Amino acid sequence: DAKTTQPPSMDCAEGRAANLPCNHSTISGNEYVYWYRQIHSQGPQYIIHGLKNNETNEMASLIITEDRKSSTLILPHATLRDTAVYYCIVSPEGGCGNAGKSTFGDGTTLTVKP
Amino acid sequence: EADIYQTPRYLVIGTGKKITLECSQTMGHDKMYWYQQDPGMELHLIHYSYGVNSTEKGDLSSESTVSRIRTEHFPLTLESARPSHTSQYLCASSFPPPGDTQYFGPGTRLTVL
Repeated sequence: DAKTTQPPSMDCAEGRAANLPCNHSTISGNEYVYWYRQIHSQGPQYIIHGLKNNETNEMASLIITEDRKSSTLILPHATLRDTAVYYCIVSPEGGCGNAGKSTFGDGTTLTVKP
Repeated sequence: EADIYQTPRYLVIGTGKKITLECSQTMGHDKMYWYQQDPGMELHLIHYSYGVNSTEKGDLSSESTVSRIRTEHFPLTLESARPSHTSQYLCASSFPPPGDTQYFGPGTRLTVL
């Protein structure tokens, strides 16, 4: 199963874009890139996911490189409430036999500052 | 917002007691998960289920047990609680494929004295 590498911490000024990188150089063809965040020991919250194409939703944008070995989560206008631990994980397509294969690492602690 | 619930939210209990942590979801998801997380540390998968009557152990060995008699319900039981079981326990369920989008409950913070 592919593992991910993220910087342990990042700072971002309020109102600016937060760009969180993730390396997943051993990702395989059927694995999705997922992003979650966890605010102060609450349950993790799903943000976005993608397979090959860039994705955007109301929370964030996900940019996946063409070789799929890395990705960037973009929070376009960070607010203080976006301060959290952000997890990048790779996960199989979810068919039978693939449950329990997603591994949450240490993540990136993003601190949004006024 | 996902409809997944955990009770109790906080539990303080003495050593040797039997406890059951409840997890329910109203989304009809087949797959459900239990994670254990110590403060400031990463999540560790301890149990998961593909559906009714299916239970599997996760990456982290745990003395807890789970059952899945109904789709919506995935309780976790500790037969004899010990201080080493003090942790936060997070339940999740996921949408059908493709992908494995997991939705988490608020967690149960367990303290064993």
